[in-house]
Amino acid sequence: DIVMTQSPLSRPVTPGAPASISCRSSQSLLHRDSTNYLNWYLQKPGQSPQLLIYLGSNRASGVPDRFCGSGSGTDFILKISRVEAEDVGVYYCMQALQAPFTFGGGTTVEIK
Amino acid sequence: QVHLVQSGAEVKKPGSSVMVSCKTSGGPFNSYTINWVRQAPGQGLEWMGWIIPFLGTPMYAQKFQGRVTITADKSTSTSYMELNSLTPEDTAMYFCARLAQGNDFDYWGQGTLVTVSS
Repeated sequence: DIVMTQSPLSRPVTPGAPASISCRSSQSLLHRDSTNYLNWYLQKPGQSPQLLIYLGSNRASGVPDRFCGSGSGTDFILKISRVEAEDVGVYYCMQALQAPFTFGGGTTVEIK
Repeated sequence: QVHLVQSGAEVKKPGSSVMVSCKTSGGPFNSYTINWVRQAPGQGLEWMGWIIPFLGTPMYAQKFQGRVTITADKSTSTSYMELNSLTPEDTAMYFCARLAQGNDFDYWGQGTLVTVSS
């Protein structure tokens, strides 16, 4: 199984400041079709996870452009250019290259 | 607008089984793989398996092989996840999620809390 490792575990952020989350996979998520099968989700308190980024760098419908996914192969980053109060929650990366799909352990973003 | 609506919370005894349903509305059912993901209290997300309704073929995570059964009823656009031989460690929120074209989960159910306790 592909192991997904996120850092940091927790990220206190001042509103308006940037934040970034790292995700590393135990094997490359770059498919031969040149697509990185890496997704990012946000789970707000008490809610189901919601899709933020798919295929490494594509924002899902309705996701603000302050969210940006980048990276390739085994190393990926989710950047929030200016954190807002509504961005608090747990962020998960997930590899979708092969079953079983696996998630990172999560990064909690909280407001200072 | 697509909605995945799950059945209500369950309380089960150790050794018993639970079945959770997930009904898709507002969009096609047959052509989208339905996945099941669980989350133990205070823990992360764990993929359990999927089913392709069009084909009726499931795939399960090794951890749950032999204990989980995922099915799909095309006539009602509903997927079911049955988990057997429950232990307290199966206490978790169970989610269904639709797999979109980018191999991402674009729509999620609201979650079903399953509590296993004697």
